[in-house]
Amino acid sequence: SQQGEEDPQALSIQEGENATMNCSYKTSINNLQWYRQNSGRGLVHLILIRSNEREKHSGRLRVTLDTSKKSSSLLITASRAADTASYFCAAANRDDKIIFGKGTRLHILP
Amino acid sequence: KAGVTQTPRYLIKTRGQQVTLSCSPISGHRSVSWYQQTPGQGLQFLFEYFSETQRNKGNFPGRFSGRQFSNSRSEMNVSTLELGDSALYLCASNLGTYFGAGDEQFFGPGTRLTVL
Repeated sequence: SQQGEEDPQALSIQEGENATMNCSYKTSINNLQWYRQNSGRGLVHLILIRSNEREKHSGRLRVTLDTSKKSSSLLITASRAADTASYFCAAANRDDKIIFGKGTRLHILP
Repeated sequence: KAGVTQTPRYLIKTRGQQVTLSCSPISGHRSVSWYQQTPGQGLQFLFEYFSETQRNKGNFPGRFSGRQFSNSRSEMNVSTLELGDSALYLCASNLGTYFGAGDEQFFGPGTRLTVL
């Protein structure tokens, strides 16, 4: 079964708006990573947040982690057309496996 | 630095055949992981190799196997192909600093396998 479950499955917003995606996981983790994938190509690493961190920023990205709720969120601010992609959370669990969710498909409308 | 490369990029096989996919990691990366991506199951972890040893394995049947060479290049093999093996197979490499998959992973473009 999937460790990470993203919500929503799909999201369409206007360019310039903020996009928020959520991820829930099931077991204790070492870290949680977010990746982007364009049209069935390879994944690109966006940001990694460790289990002892609560928030992390990278450019227009902001990730939060709540280990008590076993959840994380990815916020993309001031969205651009190039942000159109699928976004995956990946939970690296204590068994040293990285388990991906099924992803959120983000579509930025012009 | 060159990125992760995978060959071939596309492959068409028939049921019952076997296939070998290749992955060259980023120079200096000692860990290579393989994933299967399908629309129905999403991204699923196949196995991870570090210093020529498999140190982690997902829940796939024994038809799926892999190996890693001394130069960190890796191959995965699928024997007796089934229609359900049609998928995008992704390889990822990382430094291997942390045991398992704790590092940021760098993905290749994938090999799209179609089984007819």
